[in-house]
Amino acid sequence: ILNVEQSPQSLHVQEGDSTNFTCSFPSSNFYALHWYRWETAKSPEALFVMTLNGDEKKKGRISATLNTKEGYSYLYIKGSQPEDSATYLCAFRDSNYQLIWGAGTKLIIKP
Amino acid sequence: GAVVSQHPSRVICKSGTSVKIECRSLDFQATTMFWYRQFPKQSLMLMATSNEGSKATYEQGVEKDKFLINHASLTLSTLTVTSAHPEDSSFYICSARDLAGGVHEQYFGPGTRLTVT
Repeated sequence: ILNVEQSPQSLHVQEGDSTNFTCSFPSSNFYALHWYRWETAKSPEALFVMTLNGDEKKKGRISATLNTKEGYSYLYIKGSQPEDSATYLCAFRDSNYQLIWGAGTKLIIKP
Repeated sequence: GAVVSQHPSRVICKSGTSVKIECRSLDFQATTMFWYRQFPKQSLMLMATSNEGSKATYEQGVEKDKFLINHASLTLSTLTVTSAHPEDSSFYICSARDLAGGVHEQYFGPGTRLTVT
């Protein structure tokens, strides 16, 4: 059974602080790793798709890294802002194009 | 970016009734749409994959007679929860794959919260 784990489950961060969280996934049959940002009552928004070991992607204050050999990805947020409050989901796509989701990390930024 | 809408956003129904949820791609054509279910604090679980004009492919453990999926056009897929039970109460979310995009191009609706009383 393929499993995608995200930690922590939830996180409170002071505005202005930087933070990061983890997505662990199977290290075999890897095709891609997706990160999504999901605000309540809105559609999940695609942040990054990473396909190569060592990939690093950046979008403004948010960045992500990928280690396919050990099966983990980190998402970093620099200088957290209240608008960063959301659930961050990762999803592992295997070589059969099957997408397996983590349960998400709920990020709450305290002003 | 591409937009996917879902309707309704929230629905409460009584046990035994049926509920239909619509998923529309507003500004692109979607040959494939996916239906997910999420229970509180759990992962999004794929229920079924629907391709326009053909029968949906259901994941193991998902009853196709209970969760009827119709992908009638390139912009519309519907999920009907038949004879709903309280345990069907969940968050249902659809996503659509852009015809012109690659396998990575998948856009999500905002979801439908179903409560069965």
